[in-house]
Amino acid sequence: GESVGLHLPTLSVQEGDNSIINCAYSNSASDYFIWYKQESGKGPQFIIDIRSNMDKRQGQRVTVLLNKTVKHLSLQIAATQPGDSAVYFCAETVSGYALNFGKGTSLLVTP
Amino acid sequence: DSGVTQTPKHLITATGQRVTLRCSPRSGDLSVYWYQQSLDQGLQFLIQYYNGEERAKGNILERFSAQQFPDLHSELNLSSLELGDSALYFCASTPTGGDNYGYTFGSGTRLTVV
Repeated sequence: GESVGLHLPTLSVQEGDNSIINCAYSNSASDYFIWYKQESGKGPQFIIDIRSNMDKRQGQRVTVLLNKTVKHLSLQIAATQPGDSAVYFCAETVSGYALNFGKGTSLLVTP
Repeated sequence: DSGVTQTPKHLITATGQRVTLRCSPRSGDLSVYWYQQSLDQGLQFLIQYYNGEERAKGNILERFSAQQFPDLHSELNLSSLELGDSALYFCASTPTGGDNYGYTFGSGTRLTVV
């Protein structure tokens, strides 16, 4: 069936470097995408979202890029900090329906 | 604190038993979603309620059921528990049933079936 998946299960970066986490989705009808951060023992925490009528959205230290042509989503974290270490999930949905999550990428920030 | 409250935080029970997980949505939110997170499956959507009515079903087993009460809190009932039901169970809430803006998760209930 339709699915959302992540290219890399783990990503290790040095503190201060930029991080890029990628996500592929297969449902061309999806019109809303969200990135979540999940720390150990906690629920997913909203980072940034983007609607399908946009191709880029920026937040504080984070940028989401959407390429609908190849059904690809990425999360860029600038100047990665130790507190950014967590599992990151992308999620997609067709408006009004529940989010469909990928399996997650573990980001490890080393000093 | 996300504003979505889940209880209990941890639950250990034996196979064959029945448990109830509780979720209080963020103030003003009408819609509640339940998700199961296991190690090998990621976050799987189970069921959605909106203002007391079932809105959508995902990969929810027949042994599982849920409801949303007039005060908008929701309960997820898991019965005839099996070892494979061990997982984190999250609920999320949104202001409406048709828009996913403001999708906020609780901290989850960790269920261990022994």
